[in-house]
Amino acid sequence: DAGVTQSPTHLIKTRGQQVTLRCSPKSGHDTVSWYQQALGQGPQFIFQYYEEEERQRGNFPDRFSGHQFPNYSSELNVNALLLGDSALYLCASSFTGPGYTFGSGTRLTVV
Amino acid sequence: AQSVTQLDSQVPVFEEAPVELRCNYSSSVSVYLFWYVQYPNQGLQLLLKYLSGSTLVESINGFEAEFNKSQTSFHLRKPSVHISDTAEYFCAVRDGGATNKLIFGTGTLLAVQP
Repeated sequence: DAGVTQSPTHLIKTRGQQVTLRCSPKSGHDTVSWYQQALGQGPQFIFQYYEEEERQRGNFPDRFSGHQFPNYSSELNVNALLLGDSALYLCASSFTGPGYTFGSGTRLTVV
Repeated sequence: AQSVTQLDSQVPVFEEAPVELRCNYSSSVSVYLFWYVQYPNQGLQLLLKYLSGSTLVESINGFEAEFNKSQTSFHLRKPSVHISDTAEYFCAVRDGGATNKLIFGTGTLLAVQP
């Protein structure tokens, strides 16, 4: 049974560019959450998608946006990249209840 | 809003010694608590969780954590560590509301030395 799959694993972008990160949830999970983990920090909640809609958002600017598809997979888009957006981006999926399964993450480096 | 404090950024310990990683959370009526482990260049793996019931929860690899409501703590312990336990450990609490989002601490690096 595949867990949460994220792509790509690593990415290097230039300031001002746009990036799209992808996540396939664990089989049977219908909810996807995205977290940003800066170097040396704990993960920070970006937003959560359920039934193709954003259910809640953390303290992130509108440059961060997302989407959930009918098959429950999700994308995270970041526009106008800043150096400070360099981080590990983690996707977590869940069904009902408080349990989450995390993917291995996408390491984004902005230069 | 919930918050989590991990006071120790790094805990060095010798192999086969006991270890305790401390975690305190802000008080709430009901709380779900988690410990995640992150090996270098990897994502998060769930180590153990407290949802309800017995205040002592155990993982399959010898870790245990005890939910202490009066002290608002959820410390992680292992009686004898191995080199392979070297990793970053994150304590997390589920925030209230519909999303079940997790609030993480800043992490503790467990560095096991031979």
